[in-house]
Amino acid sequence: DGGITQSPKYLFRKEGQNVTLSCEQNLNHDAMYWYRQDPGQGLRLIYYSQIVNDFQKGDIAEGYSVSREKKESFPLTVTSAQKNPTAFYLCASRTGLAGGHTGELFFGEGSRLTVL
Amino acid sequence: GENVEQHPSTLSVQEGDSAVIKCTYSDSASNYFPWYKQELGKRPQLIIDIRSNVGEKKDQRIAVTLNKTAKHFSLHITETQPEDSAVYFCAAGRGNKLTFGTGTQLKVEL
Repeated sequence: DGGITQSPKYLFRKEGQNVTLSCEQNLNHDAMYWYRQDPGQGLRLIYYSQIVNDFQKGDIAEGYSVSREKKESFPLTVTSAQKNPTAFYLCASRTGLAGGHTGELFFGEGSRLTVL
Repeated sequence: GENVEQHPSTLSVQEGDSAVIKCTYSDSASNYFPWYKQELGKRPQLIIDIRSNVGEKKDQRIAVTLNKTAKHFSLHITETQPEDSAVYFCAAGRGNKLTFGTGTQLKVEL
């Protein structure tokens, strides 16, 4: 069953702690993304990766870090430097570019992070 | 960078009526405009998309129109049904990056 899997679904963290959210896909997609979803603010791009060992900052990258050591995996670390980390985090993947166009994003079910 | 504005933030219609959601974008280089639907507690899913070389696209009860000159695009849902109730997001982009609007909560009332 192909898809994109995020874990954990719910996560609680104390202030000052780093936490890593997992994202795995078996769709053989080249590009992977992390979005943050807050009420009334839509989906805001944190980081994205077009290919293994390469990634770019999105619009709200401060306080976050990522790695892309394998095509299937794109973990997101929420560091203690992120001032307001409580949010719903969505990972997504997409096939490679064709003719310079973006394609459909396939989203995971999300991870809800709460900082206590 | 790209900036996408979406209106209205909430929309309530009677079952069977039409619903229209509008978005504007800032980057004239954007060439791809998808719409995603997110039902309560679920992941966003693509419902329709349009590319900059097309002015209108239709799929059963949903349609999207694009005005490149004015830099705005709209989602039209006809004959709304209760299962259309959800949050709808527009997006605009080119290359690998998509910028999303802030979402519209659509409620279809019986």
